Amino acid sequence: GAGVSQSPSNKVTEKGKDVELRCDPISGHTALYWYRQSLGQGLEFLIYFQGNSAPDKSGLPSDRFSAERTGGSVSTLTIQRTQQEDSAVYLCASSLDWRQGNEQYFGPGTRLTVT
Amino acid sequence: AQSVTQLGSHVSVSEGALVLLRCNYSSSVPPYLFWYVQYPNQGLQLLLKYTSAATLVKGINGFEAEFKKSETSFHLTKPSAHMSDAAEYFCAVSDVEGTYKYIFGTGTRLKVLA
Repeated sequence: GAGVSQSPSNKVTEKGKDVELRCDPISGHTALYWYRQSLGQGLEFLIYFQGNSAPDKSGLPSDRFSAERTGGSVSTLTIQRTQQEDSAVYLCASSLDWRQGNEQYFGPGTRLTVT
Repeated sequence: AQSVTQLGSHVSVSEGALVLLRCNYSSSVPPYLFWYVQYPNQGLQLLLKYTSAATLVKGINGFEAEFKKSETSFHLTKPSAHMSDAAEYFCAVSDVEGTYKYIFGTGTRLKVLA
């Protein structure tokens, strides 16, 4: 079946603008994760959704970042008033459920450049 | 708190040579461990995972990793490197206390020389 898809693949925006990044998880996967990958660094956890439970937002770096997941499927990560330090690749992943050891399947990412 | 350390941000090997990518973790109990590979402009793909069933784990593309509790290590190896193995490799640990987050290492970029 189809894998995790993300759009856009690349986004260039001016400092101060808002951006929305979209993630379509694998059908049937109830868990969805957002990560940020900055140059020369590993993956930084941002937020996690599991079914209808309240999301774990503990990784969001500031209140400019927010995410939604509608209908338990598609998720949107929104960054308001973008800053240059927000430039990174934003990766979305999904897994069958939250249980430990379940493989996370990653999308190709959205490369965000803030000028 | 759990953590993962990958020694060597860049590793170069000759085609046909042994590949060894190092990963050490910190955990008070045996964790779940993963190796992912990332090709340019792509997402991460699972190579293999350790879930306590066997200490030697075989993955895709001829890679394998051995869990060594005494050394808190989970190094990735491949007997003979191929040009197509050039990519970035990430080690990750999943918290054993019922959470769902992966903690990723900073990655090792593998270069294969002809």
